[in-house]
Amino acid sequence: DQQVKQNSPSLSVQEGRISILNCDYTNSMFDYFLWYKKYPAEGPTFLISISSIKDKNEDGRFTVFLNKSAKHLSLHIVPSQPGDSAVYFCAATGGSTGTASKLTFGTGTRLQVTL
Amino acid sequence: EPEVTQTPSHQVTQMGQEVILRCVPISNHLYFYWYRQILGQKVEFLVSFYNNEISEKSEIFDDQFSVERPDGSNFTLKIRSTKLEDSAMYFCASSEASFGTLKAFFGQGTRLTVV
Repeated sequence: DQQVKQNSPSLSVQEGRISILNCDYTNSMFDYFLWYKKYPAEGPTFLISISSIKDKNEDGRFTVFLNKSAKHLSLHIVPSQPGDSAVYFCAATGGSTGTASKLTFGTGTRLQVTL
Repeated sequence: EPEVTQTPSHQVTQMGQEVILRCVPISNHLYFYWYRQILGQKVEFLVSFYNNEISEKSEIFDDQFSVERPDGSNFTLKIRSTKLEDSAMYFCASSEASFGTLKAFFGQGTRLTVV
């Protein structure tokens, strides 16, 4: 049951360039999307999120774009830095405020930023 | 920044034994979660907990699993009779509110190895 898919298991980008990580979802009930970054032997770290009422959210070098009609979101990192090398997980939830909403994760994309 | 702490970092147990994984969520958080990640697979939701009761659980969270908040600070996951397929990284998470409104913080994980 792959409700959230990240079709690229890995991505290699040169330092200073843009990294674009993609995510597709199938469940129309999802209304909030999050990106997490994970280093080996650590837990996922929240990066950025977007509500379904928006199509773009920006936080420093990180921008998330949401295309609801295509059920697609992407994370842009500009400029990419070597410290960005990690596994990036897309996650989605369909919960409403006041309830404990579970996250459905994608399989992750391993980003490597090269010098 | 406040953090979620999990103990132990690594637990090795024999098949059929009971294990308790411990978590200390961030002190003012109200929602608590357990997730797991089997090696090479996606992060999967196990259970959410709010107001001293389970809010939601996945099909993975069967009768062998239980959660408890024994005092004001700890949140535990118990597996009564471990199986080989329970070997995974187990992540605890907490948030002030539903994932739909605020980011969640994850702990660094407990690696459970069942032999």
